[in-house]
Amino acid sequence: GDSVTQMEGPVTLSEEAFLTINCTYTATGYPSLFWYVQYPGEGLQLLLKATKADDKGSNKGFEATYRKETTSFHLEKGSVQVSDSAVYFCAPSGAGTALIFGKGTTLSVSS
Amino acid sequence: KAGVTQTPRYLIKTRGQQVTLSCSPISGHRSVSWYQQTPGQGLQFLFEYFSETQRNKGNFPGRFSGRQFSNSRSEMNVSTLELGDSALYLCASSLGQEDSPLHFGNGTRLTVT
Repeated sequence: GDSVTQMEGPVTLSEEAFLTINCTYTATGYPSLFWYVQYPGEGLQLLLKATKADDKGSNKGFEATYRKETTSFHLEKGSVQVSDSAVYFCAPSGAGTALIFGKGTTLSVSS
Repeated sequence: KAGVTQTPRYLIKTRGQQVTLSCSPISGHRSVSWYQQTPGQGLQFLFEYFSETQRNKGNFPGRFSGRQFSNSRSEMNVSTLELGDSALYLCASSLGQEDSPLHFGNGTRLTVT
C-alpha cells in the first residue's frame, strides 16, 4: 500500500539556520504532494504543494521539489525564524484526499 | 470566506458512551475528510465523504461512522467509546480533486474516561 516516510524530530535549530526535512513516499501513480504545518493549538494548514514531476512548491520562504525519480519531496528553508516553530507533515494525495500523512516533524527554533 | 468549523472544541465522555462530532466545510467544498490525531500514531485517516457518498475509508472499526448532508456539512459518530479513542479529531474540506489542498478545522479534543 501507499506509505510516507518522514524524518522524525524533534529538530532543534538556531534562528537563521538552514532547514531540511526529508520526505519519501510510495504511491500508486503520480500523486500531488503537499506539506502541511501545524502551529501550537491549531489545526493543520497548507504550506505548499506540487502537482507533477519537477514542480517546485514554495511559500513563506519554504521550498520543496517533486522528485519523481527518487519519490521524494524534501522541505527546505534557507533561514528559519522562531515563528517557524511548528510540526510539519508531508502528505501525498490519493483518490481525491490525503489518505496517509507522515508522522510529523517537530521543529523548534531558538533565538 | 469562513473557514472549516468543528464543534464542539472539547468533549469528555465515559467508556461505553457514544459521541457525535460536527464539521462545517468551506462554502463550495464538496469533500470532507476526517482524521484522528494522537501523539503515538500521528494523523490517521478515518473516512472521506464527497457529495454525500463515502468515497474513501481508512482502517478503523465499524464503531466509527460518518455521514454528509446535502449542504456538505458532515458528522462523525463514535459508538461504544473506549479509552483509546481519546484523541484530537480533525476535519478537512476540499474541492475533492487530486490536486486540491485540504483545509482543516481546529479539531475536537475528545477525552474518554
